[in-house]
Amino acid sequence: EVQLVESGGGLVQPGGSLKLSCAVSGFTFSGSAIHWVRQASGKGLEWVGRIRSKVNSYATAYAASVNGRFTISRDDSKNTAYLQMNSLRTEDTAVYYCTRPVSHNWFDPWGQGTLVTVSS
Amino acid sequence: DIVMTQSPDSLAVSLGERATINCKSSQSVLYSSDNKNYLAWYQQKPGQPPKLLIYWASTRESGVPGRFSGSGSGSDFTLTISSLQAEDVAVYYCQQYYSTPPAFGQGTRLEIK
Repeated sequence: EVQLVESGGGLVQPGGSLKLSCAVSGFTFSGSAIHWVRQASGKGLEWVGRIRSKVNSYATAYAASVNGRFTISRDDSKNTAYLQMNSLRTEDTAVYYCTRPVSHNWFDPWGQGTLVTVSS
Repeated sequence: DIVMTQSPDSLAVSLGERATINCKSSQSVLYSSDNKNYLAWYQQKPGQPPKLLIYWASTRESGVPGRFSGSGSGSDFTLTISSLQAEDVAVYYCQQYYSTPPAFGQGTRLEIK
């Protein structure tokens, strides 16, 4: 069974940092990209960014709203992807999901998400 | 960037009736080289992550009930639930994967009338 499990969420002050993890199982992690998508309470889905596999040079891409503040990385030996979030703002408060792209980049499955709250 | 717009924002339908959700992209998501529409639909129930329903605009994911169908091409797409069941109460999202950044519609909340 394909599973993705996010962790690392919590309460952080504006301007602070937080690092999320996405541990995966049930598929060949090293050969797959991983995407992060977030959802503010009661709002829609917002793509955050992605990291590709080693064969694709671990290429990353980010939404304009987080570019320069967030960094996605991965450790293929641990089957884990990471989302490093710096200079956090109140508007970054959301549930953060990691998900696996299938074929041409529809997403399936998704993790259960981890809540990040940015507040003083 | 491609912008996805869904309509309506919310919808109330009686049990057993048809529900129709529309999705429009700001530019075509039909890729000419393979003649495929790069459009997916997801269902999200309260407290749960999104669940894939349909990809390539009209291909149902394995295990998704046959009452769910997708149609459309180019920039205009529709998700139809042919006979609404109580368990279909959820928010539905379309998503384009034609180009980066992938983008979602704002969501359509489906309720029972």
